[in-house]
Amino acid sequence: EAGVAQSPRYKIIEKRQSVAFWCNPISGHATLYWYQQILGQGPKLLIQFQNNGVVDDSQLPKDRFSAERLKGVDSTLKIQPAKLEDSAVYLCASSRWGLDNEQFFGPGTRLTVL
Amino acid sequence: DQQVKQNSPSLSVQEGRISILNCDYTNSMFDYFLWYKKYPAEGPTFLISISSIKDKNEDGRFTVFLNKSAKHLSLHIVPSQPGDSAVYFCAASEGGGFKTIFGAGTRLFVKA
Repeated sequence: EAGVAQSPRYKIIEKRQSVAFWCNPISGHATLYWYQQILGQGPKLLIQFQNNGVVDDSQLPKDRFSAERLKGVDSTLKIQPAKLEDSAVYLCASSRWGLDNEQFFGPGTRLTVL
Repeated sequence: DQQVKQNSPSLSVQEGRISILNCDYTNSMFDYFLWYKKYPAEGPTFLISISSIKDKNEDGRFTVFLNKSAKHLSLHIVPSQPGDSAVYFCAASEGGGFKTIFGAGTRLFVKA
């Protein structure tokens, strides 16, 4: 079974630029998550999709962050415009739906904003 | 407002001994708790979980204990091995998978 794929692995941009991250979850997983992990902290949930619908985006900074999950499979997370404090690792995870909430994580994208 | 706290940033144990990692939470709505392990430059990997209707769950060398009255859970690793050296995250969710909150992590060093 292939794991969660993310690209790019690394990205360096200047503040006020735009950036997009891509995630391909494990086949058949209905739920997809985007997390932001700042150095020294645990992952922070940004948005959770169930199929192609949003079930929780309460911690997504909607003035600059957006995410979509087309056809309930792949997902993209965009930041426009980026700020210095957006420097972090962005993790994508997926899970089957149900009480078994085990999430499978991708390797992450390390974003540096200069 | 840290709803899930791991108060020990690091822990060092000798190979073969027990490692005990602790986690406290404040939200009584959490009903599912998980532990993840993370190596550098990789995403977290699921280790073990426990539902709020149980107080213990075992999987090989790993056991998770849940004390609901104290809002505390712990992960025991017995015996500890050098390959267990990693960052361990405690996580909690409510309603069968919503609003997952992670702790800040504890870095475990297992010395050979």
